[in-house]
Amino acid sequence: GESVGLHLPTLSVQEGDNSIINCAYSNSASDYFIWYKQESGKGPQFIIDIRSNMDKRQGQRVTVLLNKTVKHLSLQIAATQPGDSAVYFCAENYARSTTGNQFYFGTGTSLTVIP
Amino acid sequence: DTGVSQNPRHKITKRGQNVTFRCDPISEHNRLYWYRQTLGQGPEFLTYFQNEAQLEKSRLLSDRFSAERPKGSFSTLEIQRTEQGDSAMYLCASSSGQGRETQYFGPGTRLLVL
Repeated sequence: GESVGLHLPTLSVQEGDNSIINCAYSNSASDYFIWYKQESGKGPQFIIDIRSNMDKRQGQRVTVLLNKTVKHLSLQIAATQPGDSAVYFCAENYARSTTGNQFYFGTGTSLTVIP
Repeated sequence: DTGVSQNPRHKITKRGQNVTFRCDPISEHNRLYWYRQTLGQGPEFLTYFQNEAQLEKSRLLSDRFSAERPKGSFSTLEIQRTEQGDSAMYLCASSSGQGRETQYFGPGTRLLVL
């Protein structure tokens, strides 16, 4: 299954399938990105990050792809498990003239894994 | 548990009352952030501390909101004369080192203003 991120905020996949969650970020100057997972009633949990000098980064069962040309970020989850059910946010960050380290979050995509 | 902790986890108050939330960051993290999250939305930045200095404040942070980090460790966020629109999850995050790096979030304090 595939989500168009902010424009399609829900995604349902069968257990064991791969999931792809997309995110269109807003600022062409953004050069650091993080994917967070948020379960109901909990704070966001770091999954994986990527800097703009890379176009792909892999973690355990997760891969993040970055396409700076079209300002697009995706999170791929391999062999999706019921415990992956959550809301996934991409967050962008860019250097500013002040000392701020502010991240900007998208609306998020709700992933539901069907056993 | 050495993660970010927040207290209380839940707070119900009546409109017009003052509330205060506490955040304990990861030990030795010198940066601390407050965010607000409403249902169905991503976290929105409120303010940021480096050690005890409050270096940045969002326009979302009205005069009724104040945050402190007096000793560069824990932080408090106070909301005066609460309004129903203040109902949200208030998240704290911390990070360490230089430059832009991962922020680790606490579990949040869920505020309901009646």
